[in-house]
Amino acid sequence: GENVEQHPSTLSVQEGDSAVIKCTYSDSASNYFPWYKQELGKRPQLIIDIRSNVGEKKDQRIAVTLNKTAKHFSLHITETQPEDSAVYFCAASRPGGFKTIFGAGTRLFVKA
Amino acid sequence: DTEVTQTPKHLVMGMTNKKSLKCEQHMGHRAMYWYKQKAKKPPELMFVYSYEKLSINESVPSRFSPECPNSSLLNLHLHALQPEDSALYLCAISPRTTQFTDTQYFGPGTRLTVL
Repeated sequence: GENVEQHPSTLSVQEGDSAVIKCTYSDSASNYFPWYKQELGKRPQLIIDIRSNVGEKKDQRIAVTLNKTAKHFSLHITETQPEDSAVYFCAASRPGGFKTIFGAGTRLFVKA
Repeated sequence: DTEVTQTPKHLVMGMTNKKSLKCEQHMGHRAMYWYKQKAKKPPELMFVYSYEKLSINESVPSRFSPECPNSSLLNLHLHALQPEDSALYLCAISPRTTQFTDTQYFGPGTRLTVL
């Protein structure tokens, strides 16, 4: 069945450094790739998304890249801050479908 | 900000109790979802309603019973739950457009503890 693999499971960076989280999806029909940030005890919150007709998207310190051929997509956070500490989930879904396939999550720690 | 509210925020219930979780939205989004999330895991899809009709049931045990009385409300009725059902229950909504794959927005969740 459909699967999204996410790496690393844990990432620790120094404040101001960059953080990169990588995901690989199995369903070649997937065309929508959201990223969610979940702080402890809070809801998953959409932080950025990308559709398959675009290779890269940026929003301030956050960027996402997509390689459709390799079925890879990545989240890049620059100039990390302690408030970026959270669990990040990548996800993939196909056109017209209801199911969003989530990666297992990456716990990001930003040390001050 | 996409506004989805869920009540209650916390719920503690015994295995013989009957309780309900409620989700409300006023965005006019026509797809509504229930997810279950265990600690340190991604959300796990339970049910999907599209235009108030049940579209997906992910083989969820019958002790969970969803209901969508109108386009703004989604309920999850709970009966005879087990301790392993303790989790964060998340409601989500999406526009259900035909043009694009939908973006899902989550409510704050109900933290359920089954004793």
